[in-house]
Amino acid sequence: AQSVTQLDSQVPVFEEAPVELRCNYSSSVSVYLFWYVQYPNQGLQLLLKYLSGSTLVESINGFEAEFNKSQTSFHLRKPSVHISDTAEYFCAVMPQGAQKLVFGQGTRLTINP
Amino acid sequence: DAGVIQSPRHEVTEMGQEVTLRCKPISGHDYLFWYRQTMMRGLELLIYFNNNVPIDDSGMPEDRFSAKMPNASFSTLKIQPSEPRDSAVYFCASSGTPGAETQYFGPGTRLLVL
Repeated sequence: AQSVTQLDSQVPVFEEAPVELRCNYSSSVSVYLFWYVQYPNQGLQLLLKYLSGSTLVESINGFEAEFNKSQTSFHLRKPSVHISDTAEYFCAVMPQGAQKLVFGQGTRLTINP
Repeated sequence: DAGVIQSPRHEVTEMGQEVTLRCKPISGHDYLFWYRQTMMRGLELLIYFNNNVPIDDSGMPEDRFSAKMPNASFSTLKIQPSEPRDSAVYFCASSGTPGAETQYFGPGTRLLVL
């Protein structure tokens, strides 16, 4: 079985400050890793994913995440956040060869001006 | 493409009533997923289909819940009878082959059972 732990339920930061949202996972098999974002009253949107290859993956809006196999982590970072980044962020894993996504509990990112 | 379409967006019903949630996946996608989101339990996979066939329904809470996919462009999740603890946001998602690891979510149905 797989499990995902998002270490912070809420992260408040000031606009233009850097941010890191932490994610650790547990799995007995190889997994794919994902970050999804949920804006208020909307569905989830894929932010970025790691399937294979380079352990550093980037999104089009400046977020990046690094897969660390030894620490079983997939932390999400952004060097400078904007008000529009206010949302809930979900880390998820999918066992390779399966289709089941297992989500963490989510981290609510609040950007203060 | 219009994305995954869900209806209704909001549903308020009384305990004991039947509730039917509907989903239209992205055209050409052959996987369809139903998730439930609550504050207490977070996001949970209820059931998923491949080519209209249910593959894994281990997340369905109990016999009051049922899901069908009569064709590639339509799925329903039914709760009968509904209970207050079923209040949640229900999401439908779909994915296609190749690239089935990326799921696209609908806007969700917010269900309140009084």
